[in-house]
Parts: sequence; structure tokens; C-alpha cells
Amino acid sequence: GENVEQHPSTLSVQEGDSAVIKCTYSDSASNYFPWYKQELGKGPQLIIDIRSNVGEKKDQRIAVTLNKTAKHFSLHITETQPEDSAVYFCAASLTGSQGNLIFGKGTKLSVKP
Amino acid sequence: GAGVSQSPSNKVTEKGKDVELRCDPISGHTALYWYRQSLGQGLEFLIYFQGNSAPDKSGLPSDRFSAERTGGSVSTLTIQRTQQEDSAVYLCASNHREYQETQYFGPGTRLLVL
Repeated sequence: GENVEQHPSTLSVQEGDSAVIKCTYSDSASNYFPWYKQELGKGPQLIIDIRSNVGEKKDQRIAVTLNKTAKHFSLHITETQPEDSAVYFCAASLTGSQGNLIFGKGTKLSVKP
Repeated sequence: GAGVSQSPSNKVTEKGKDVELRCDPISGHTALYWYRQSLGQGLEFLIYFQGNSAPDKSGLPSDRFSAERTGGSVSTLTIQRTQQEDSAVYLCASNHREYQETQYFGPGTRLLVL
């Protein structure tokens, strides 16, 4: 079955700097890769996703890149702000199946003002 | 519109008692998932419902865990004879058949077994 590894487990950056979180997956058939942000005491919220037919997707300060050959994908946050502080989860799934997401273990991002 | 809702938001119980956790998915969403999140850990898949199909129970950790979904909408996760290791946040998510990959999560139920 699919296995998703996520690094780093914790990341601390200064406000205004960039943050990068990386994930690898094991099942080459996986073709959908969402990223979720989870704030303290709340459920995960989808912030961006990418499908395997594209290599990069951007939404304002957030971008995701996908390398299918290497089976890894990354989340890039530019111009970080204190409100970006949260736990970020990557996930992978195979569309057309039940859509069950396999999650990484999360990255706790701290943005220091 | 309204998102996924879960109740209760917090539950404290004694070891050996049964608990029921409720999930109200987004209206019109045909698929519903339950996940468990232990302290500082990722999300562990528990069970999946899609329409009227038989649920995928492959993630349930033991036969003390069960779930049902009535009328294709509300779901209840039941944990019988709770153990301390059951303490976790239980998250529910739903999605639409047409965009089946994108899952929308509720706020979770924080369960503490004393």
C-alpha cells in the first residue's frame, strides 16, 4: 500500500522568510496530492492540491511542486506570516479508487515575528 | 454553506465505558470518512462510507470500534469498552462523488479516556 513520508517534523522560520516542506510517496499509481493546514484545536483545512498531470501549482504565497519520477512533492510558502504557524500535512491518494488519503505525519511550522 | 460538523467537541469518559461520536457531513456529499489523530501524530484512516455501498472497515483497529451511517448522511462512530489508548482526536471528513479526492474535515471530537 501507499506510504507517505514527510520532512521536517518541525520548522521554525523568521517572518518574511520562505518555508519548504517535503513529502515522498511510495505508490507510483497515486495521482492526487493535497496539503492540509491544521491550527490548534481545529480540523485540517485544505490549502492547495495538485494532480499528477501538472508539475507545479501556485495560489498567492503558496505553491506546490510535484516530481512524479522521483515520487516527491513539496509545499512552498513565501513571505511567511505569524498566522501561517500551524501543522501542515501532505497526503496522497489514487483517484478513481475510494479516494482514501494516506497522510504524512505532519510538520509543525512556527513563524517568529 | 455549512461545513462538516461533529459532536461532541470534547468527551471525557472512564475506561470500560462505551462512547458514541457523531458526524454530520456537508449536504450532498456522498462519501464520509473517519480518521483518528493521536497526540502529535498524523491521521490514521478508520472507515469509509460511499453512498449505499458496503463500508470499507479496513482501518478499524479492533472489533471494539464500529460505525454506521443512517440514510446516507449522519454517521456515528462507536467505541465499546474504551481503553486509555483510545484517547485521541477523531476526525470526520466528507466529499462529493464528482470531486471525490478533495476531503473536507470537521473540527474533530477530542476523546479522553481516564
